[in-house]
Amino acid sequence: DIQMTQSPSTLSASVGDRVTITCRASQSLSSWLAWYQQKPRKAPKLLIYKASSLESGVPSRFSGSGSGTEFTLTISSLQPDDSATYYCQQYSTYWTFGQGTKVEIK
Amino acid sequence: EVQLVESGGGLVQPGGSLRLSCAASGFTFSNYWMSWVRQAPGKGLEWVANIKQDGSEKYYVDSVKGRFTISRDNAKNSLYLQMNSLRAEDTAIYYCARVWGGYSSGWYPFDYWGQGTLVTVSS
Repeated sequence: DIQMTQSPSTLSASVGDRVTITCRASQSLSSWLAWYQQKPRKAPKLLIYKASSLESGVPSRFSGSGSGTEFTLTISSLQPDDSATYYCQQYSTYWTFGQGTKVEIK
Repeated sequence: EVQLVESGGGLVQPGGSLRLSCAASGFTFSNYWMSWVRQAPGKGLEWVANIKQDGSEKYYVDSVKGRFTISRDNAKNSLYLQMNSLRAEDTAIYYCARVWGGYSSGWYPFDYWGQGTLVTVSS
C-alpha cells in the first residue's frame, strides 16, 4: 500500500503570506497526485490534479509541483477564504489520502 | 449542474447492516467511474470503494473487503454502498464522489462530491 505523509499538520500564516504544504509518498507516483481543500462541514473540493494542473475555477494563487515521491501545494498570497484543511491524494495505485494540513489565518 | 445527493445513513448497532444511496444528476452518470469516501468524526479522508461505469470493475480498501459492496444502477442514475457486519470504526460521514474525466480507466481523482451522509455504529 502507498502511504502519504503531509507536513506540517497545522500552520498559521497571515493574509498575503506565501504558504507551502508538502506531501511525500512511500513510493513513486509519477505525477498521479491531487490536492483538495475542505472547509468545516463541507465536502472536499478538487484544486490540483496530475501534480500541477489547476482544476477549472480554482484561483491562480494555488499551484502544485513535484513528481515521484515529493510534492508541494503553494498558495502564493494567502486569503481569508483559504482557511481550511488541505489533503493530498495519490491515484497511482488505488486511492490514498494524506492525513491533512490545517491552514489557519493569524 | 452536477449534483450528488447521499441518503441512507443513520444509527446502527455493531454487526448490523445499512445501505447507502447516492442520486446523481447534471451529467451522464453511465459515463463515469464513481466512488465512496468516508471521514470519521474529526479525522481525515479515507477512500472506501470505486466502481467502473458498467460495474465490471470494483475496488475496495482492505478494511471493508468482504463486508461492503459497491454497486450502481445506471438506469436510475444511482450509486449504492451495502454495508454489512458494521463496526464502531465504520462510524463516519460517507461521501459519494465522481471520478474525474469519464475515461475507461478509473485512475483519476474525484472532481465532484456530495454533502455526505452520517453513519453511526453504536450500541
